Amino acid sequence: LAKTTQPISMDSYEGQEVNITCSHNNIATNDYITWYQQFPSQGPRFIIQGYKTKVTNEVASLFIPADRKSSTLSLPRVSLSDTAVYYCLVGPGFQKLVFGTGTRLLVSP
Amino acid sequence: DVKVTQSSRYLVKRTGEKVFLECVQDMDHENMFWYRQDPGLGLRLIYFSYDVKMKEKGDIPEGYSVSREKKERFSLILESASTNQTSMYLCASSTGTSGSSSYNEQFFGPGTRLTVL
Repeated sequence: LAKTTQPISMDSYEGQEVNITCSHNNIATNDYITWYQQFPSQGPRFIIQGYKTKVTNEVASLFIPADRKSSTLSLPRVSLSDTAVYYCLVGPGFQKLVFGTGTRLLVSP
Repeated sequence: DVKVTQSSRYLVKRTGEKVFLECVQDMDHENMFWYRQDPGLGLRLIYFSYDVKMKEKGDIPEGYSVSREKKERFSLILESASTNQTSMYLCASSTGTSGSSSYNEQFFGPGTRLTVL
């Protein structure tokens, strides 16, 4: 199973762009990179997923370099409501995903 | 929209009791999962199921069992609750098979906060 490493916490201000980088050095050929968001007292929510290059949706962008050993979740112009924990996951090389402890993002006014 | 519901938001039980946590999804998903979440430890997979009557152990199955008699329902059972099973329990579902991108898009329920006294 590919292990992921991401910062424990990040701070930002409203209106700024936030980039959270995740390292996954032993990613397998058939693994996807998936990001989730979790607010306090709620279950995680799927944000975005990619395999290579760049993926964009209405919430975020995901940048994946050619070697796929890392990925960057980009949140444009964050607001207070983006304060949450963000998880980077790599799979499915096997039948289960592994959620780490995530990155706690705090957005201040 | 996919909806995953869990039977209780909060539950208080006593040591030694048998506890049932129920999860229902309404989108005909093949895969269902049970996680527990504890501060500093993130989400840990207890059991998952990719079909009716099928189950697979996750990372921490000890002290738990599961049942999937119908496709939409996945139950987590604590045979004899202990204080170290006090936690937030999260159920999730997804479609697709391992190796497909849709497998990774898991839809989570609101969670059940279980306290064992």
